[in-house]
Amino acid sequence: NAGVTQTPKFRILKIGQSMTLQCTQDMNHNYMYWYRQDPGMGLKLIYYSVGAGITDKGEVPNGYNVSRSTTEDFPLRLELAAPSQTSVYFCASSYSADRPTYEQYFGPGTRLTVT
Amino acid sequence: GQQVMQIPQYQHVQEGEDFTTYCNSSTTLSNIQWYKQRPGGHPVFLIQLVKSGEVKKQKRLTFQFGEAKKNSSLHITATQTTDVGTYFCAGWSGGATNKLIFGTGTLLAVQP
Repeated sequence: NAGVTQTPKFRILKIGQSMTLQCTQDMNHNYMYWYRQDPGMGLKLIYYSVGAGITDKGEVPNGYNVSRSTTEDFPLRLELAAPSQTSVYFCASSYSADRPTYEQYFGPGTRLTVT
Repeated sequence: GQQVMQIPQYQHVQEGEDFTTYCNSSTTLSNIQWYKQRPGGHPVFLIQLVKSGEVKKQKRLTFQFGEAKKNSSLHITATQTTDVGTYFCAGWSGGATNKLIFGTGTLLAVQP
């Protein structure tokens, strides 16, 4: 299993540009998440999904959009990029939680710079 | 909203010294997880604690969940250079959603 994969690994955007960060998992996990991590800081939840067709906002959703058309894929869309969106973005997945939550598996991250 | 704080933010130790990081939640937690993130890497799951007062060990690492389920600690005995990284706790307050709230993290530096 490849686990959680993310593309691209690095990206530089100009202010106002848009892009999609790709995330794919091959573990058949229902739950998927997007986090951002600013330098020297913790992880902030942007959006999450509990299954195909279902998404919900996390702590910092403004400026982002997501979709979940399949179990495997959970892309994150940045519209009108701003310098405040410079960060490292991590995608994660876990088993569905009808009991205390399972561990999350993280992808390698996408390092995004907006100038 | 729920907040999870960790202290210290940064700790520098000599190899062989012990290290402890503390995690405190503003609300009671159903469980708590610990993750390690190596410099330039991604968070990797270490352990999950569920029961009040629970203590778990992984070799030189000891994890504890407080009696009131609002705090936790990670203790490393005789640190090694391979222990370098940021340690995050993450708490789940329960309910229908599966959202973990991550702590602020403790960066551990180990000098050989």
